Amino acid sequence: DIQMTQSPSSLSASVGDRVTITCRASQSISRHLNWYQQKLGKAPKLLIYAASNLQSGVSSRFSGSGSGTDFTLTISSLQPEDFATYYCQQSHSSWTFGQGTKVEIK
Amino acid sequence: QVQLVQSGAEVKKPGASVKVSCKASGYTFTSYGISWVRQAPGQGLEWMGWISAYNDNTNYAQKFQGRVTVTTDTSTSTAYMELRSLRSDDTAVYYCARVSYYSDSSAYYYHFDYWGQGTLVTVSS
Repeated sequence: DIQMTQSPSSLSASVGDRVTITCRASQSISRHLNWYQQKLGKAPKLLIYAASNLQSGVSSRFSGSGSGTDFTLTISSLQPEDFATYYCQQSHSSWTFGQGTKVEIK
Repeated sequence: QVQLVQSGAEVKKPGASVKVSCKASGYTFTSYGISWVRQAPGQGLEWMGWISAYNDNTNYAQKFQGRVTVTTDTSTSTAYMELRSLRSDDTAVYYCARVSYYSDSSAYYYHFDYWGQGTLVTVSS
């Protein structure tokens, strides 16, 4: 099975900060990597698919990059509604999620 | 608009089974697959299984093999997830999600673009 490891597990940031979350796969997954945002008590929401493609309706302050084993999700200027938990997900071989990164208010 | 509406909360005893439904609307049901994902209290997301609504092909996470079955009823555009031999650590919110794809010149890339609202399953004696 492909394991996904996110870092950090949590971070504190201020509104307007640039935030970067990383995700590493245990083997190469090409660009088969998605990012989701989950707010407390809600279903996850797709942000980025195929490593760098922005889902329709998602703010352009979210961007994704990477291929192979190392990926990043960047929020260019953190907004109040962005405080949430973010998950990466590989889709190269079935599906596996990372453990999540909680973004909290500093 | 695309919607996935799940059945209501369940309380089950250890050893029992639960069957959660996921009714789809707003798209051609047989053109997409459905995956099931669960989330234990305070924990992360865990993929359980997938079914093609086109041909009923299935794929299950090894952890749940033999204990979970996902099915569809195309006449009602509804997917189902049945989990058997319930234990207390199966207490979780269970989500269905539509599996969509993007393709470029080299591959197909699958992702979960719409999700149900979640169904809380509580396993307690």
